[in-house]
Amino acid sequence: DQQVKQNSPSLSVQEGRISILNCDYTNSMFDYFLWYKKYPAEGPTFLISISSIKDKNEDGRFTVFLNKSAKHLSLHIVPSQPGDSAVYFCAASARGTYKYIFGTGTRLKVLA
Amino acid sequence: GAVVSQHPSRVICKSGTSVKIECRSLDFQATTMFWYRQFPKKSLMLMATSNEGSKATYEQGVEKDKFLINHASLTLSTLTVTSAHPEDSSFYICSAPGDQTYEQYFGPGTRLTVT
Repeated sequence: DQQVKQNSPSLSVQEGRISILNCDYTNSMFDYFLWYKKYPAEGPTFLISISSIKDKNEDGRFTVFLNKSAKHLSLHIVPSQPGDSAVYFCAASARGTYKYIFGTGTRLKVLA
Repeated sequence: GAVVSQHPSRVICKSGTSVKIECRSLDFQATTMFWYRQFPKKSLMLMATSNEGSKATYEQGVEKDKFLINHASLTLSTLTVTSAHPEDSSFYICSAPGDQTYEQYFGPGTRLTVT
């Protein structure tokens, strides 16, 4: 049972436009969510996070939105840059644990 | 930020042999480390939680006798894939939590190929 789902395996966006990556979860106990970026043959790097007490968190070009009622979160990147091309994973955890459940990832390609 | 290293970055071994992968926290101590496995085009799957000074905690479906974990010190955890088979070929990644609740620092990963 996939508790964290990223239904779009890939996404292509023109440079300068907005990239929107989506993530859905099923476990209502999850209260912390993160987005990681991963280049081939490298470990994931932390991008941005959001706690369930918030519905939005912004850091520069990256904004994460959380809709608890829909159990849905999204990552917005604007403006998108070619260097943003990577695989993006969302991850979720329940309170008091470091254990994260990862989605299957979305490969973002930003076209110059 | 905190750095986690893994060694080797890439290893090819023959079926039936054992392979050891090291995970080190370079500038901080980690009483807990996590081992993940990633299949091609799949999610990172948590295999086990490595605990310094005590036994590792394995996730459901992960064979503890096949994937031996030793957390020898506050900066080193090792994963040994015993009697490796081609289906064990994968990308293995470790991570260590940081000071903040959400922080987790990932190693660069180890690509294991079993022939």
